[in-house]
Amino acid sequence: EVQLLESGGGLVQPGGSLRLSCAASGFTFSSYTMNWVRQAPGKGLEWVSAISTTGDSTYFADSVKGRFTISRDNSQNTVTLNMDNLRADDTAVYFCARGSSGANYWGQGTLVTVSS
Amino acid sequence: DIQMTQSPSSVSASVGDRVTVTCRASQGISTWLTWYQQKPGKAPKVLIYAASILESGVPSRFSGSGSGTDFTLTIATLQPEDFATYYCQQAHSFPWTFGQGTRVEVK
Repeated sequence: EVQLLESGGGLVQPGGSLRLSCAASGFTFSSYTMNWVRQAPGKGLEWVSAISTTGDSTYFADSVKGRFTISRDNSQNTVTLNMDNLRADDTAVYFCARGSSGANYWGQGTLVTVSS
Repeated sequence: DIQMTQSPSSVSASVGDRVTVTCRASQGISTWLTWYQQKPGKAPKVLIYAASILESGVPSRFSGSGSGTDFTLTIATLQPEDFATYYCQQAHSFPWTFGQGTRVEVK
């Protein structure tokens, strides 16, 4: 069974940093592009970042470019989103999602709250 | 970036109704279009990928069509469990973009 389990969310002050992790199981992790998608409270879905199977290619939404980085460890089946210089409008549930032509598996999400 | 315009933003419907949601891309995306269903507090669930292919396990009352810039999600006969929010998403190129969502509500 495919499982994606996010962790690392929490309350952080504006300008602070946070690291989100996604632990994958039930599939050959190294064969799939991985993504982070977020959803602000009461709002729609916003794709945040993606990383290729080998980690050689990374992609970011303009809203997070220069502040967020993404990495993966194919030996540990994990993908990590490092978030720096967080702003109030980064407050959202962050989902880890598998796929390159649409996301066919999603984690349950982890809540990030940016507030003083 | 490719903009995805989804309509309507909400629809009131009754069990048994036929519901149609449309999604328009700002440029051609071939059939790189996925439809999701999301219920409150839950992660999105794939219904349709490649514009018209039904995800395994999804009831056949859901169907998708279109290519290029115009796409449609149809729920043939609305069931109680279908009241939810639906999103389209283009996977033609990064950044992925989503439609604004269509909330299907009880009439």
